[in-house]
Order: sequence, then structure tokens, then C-alpha cells
Amino acid sequence: DGGITQSPKYLFRKEGQNVTLSCEQNLNHDAMYWYRQDPGQGLRLIYYSQIVNDFQKGDIAEGYSVSREKKESFPLTVTSAQKNPTAFYLCASKRGLNEKLFFGSGTQLSVL
Amino acid sequence: DQQVKQNSPSLSVQEGRISILNCDYTNSMFDYFLWYKKYPAEGPTFLISISSIKDKNEDGRFTVFLNKSAKHLSLHIVPSQPGDSAVYFCAATVSYGGSQGNLIFGKGTKLSVKP
Repeated sequence: DGGITQSPKYLFRKEGQNVTLSCEQNLNHDAMYWYRQDPGQGLRLIYYSQIVNDFQKGDIAEGYSVSREKKESFPLTVTSAQKNPTAFYLCASKRGLNEKLFFGSGTQLSVL
Repeated sequence: DQQVKQNSPSLSVQEGRISILNCDYTNSMFDYFLWYKKYPAEGPTFLISISSIKDKNEDGRFTVFLNKSAKHLSLHIVPSQPGDSAVYFCAATVSYGGSQGNLIFGKGTKLSVKP
């Protein structure tokens, strides 16, 4: 089945630690996105990539980094510079610019 | 400053009745609007969309209405079912040269449909 796989489902970060969230899609979509959801808040865009080896900052990119070395993969690293990392992280993709966004099932990141 | 506002954090409706979820926007350049549905601990799923050239779009039990002059859209669910209980996000975007920009999401409205 085609889809977007995010792993792990739950992740715990220690103070000062970098952690990487995985996002893999087998939908052959060109564009991939990372969103953050906080309780009672909407989805806020962290980073996005419209093509391999290229990505752009979203609205809240500080403290995060990404790479897009393969079309299928768009990992997100939450660095120690992100002072409030606890949130639900959603990866999404779409085939073309005018297509609908498909979301993964999310990763809940918490700070120990 | 929020460009997409969903002013009702929650809504409770009886099964079989109509659910009306509202969304307001401030950016007059927005020309494409979407509704997503989200269950807890899952990713949102696309529900229905509408282009600014229309004022209504219908898909089964779901209808979206757009009032451009008021910068307001609403999602109607008729009849409401317990399985519709979820958080509903309104999203908007601007099309540049025929291509959609990034989506701007509202904060969501939690719908509870009681049996």
C-alpha cells in the first residue's frame, strides 16, 4: 500500500540532545513537508522540499534542520537549539503543487 | 497574526442533526480553501475543498460554503454521525501562476457528535 510512514510513533529527547524524526513515502510525490502541532493550535510549517536536494524554511524553522537526499525520504532533526520541542510532528507530501496534501500518522516528541 | 481563524474550539451536536463549522480568513489573496479531518494521534485527512470561483462545493454529507465578501467559509455535515467526531482544520492558500502556495491552517474545531 502506498503511503507516508513516520517513525518512531513516540520519541523522548534529553536536554541538549539532537533527535531525528523519520519520514518515508512511497507515493512518488515530489513535495514533502514537516508540520508541528501543539495542543489547541493549528499546524505550523517547519520546512518543506519541492524537489530532491532542495528545501526551504517554513514559518518556524529555527532549531530544526532537514535533508532531502532521496525523493522518498525527508528526515527532520530537532536540534538542541529548539528550546520547546515537545509537540506532535506531522510529515506530509503531495504529488504536484496543485494536489492535495497527504499526511503521515505523526510522531509525538517529548522532553525528559 | 492569524490569517485563518477558527473561533470555536469545540462543537457538540446530536447524531442526525447538522454540524456547522466556521472559518474566517484575513488575507484577501487566498483563493483556495480546504478542510481536513483529524483523529487523535493520527495525521489529518483531506475532506473537501473549494476554489474562490465557486461559492459552494458538495461531496456526500459534506458541503463547504464560501462567502468571499465576508472572508468566511463554513463546513456543513448533514446528517452528523458519531464517526464524524474529530478535529476539523480549515486551511487556505494562494495560487501563484496557477500553482498552490503553502497551506495556512486554522487552530481547529473539535466536533463531538453524541448518539
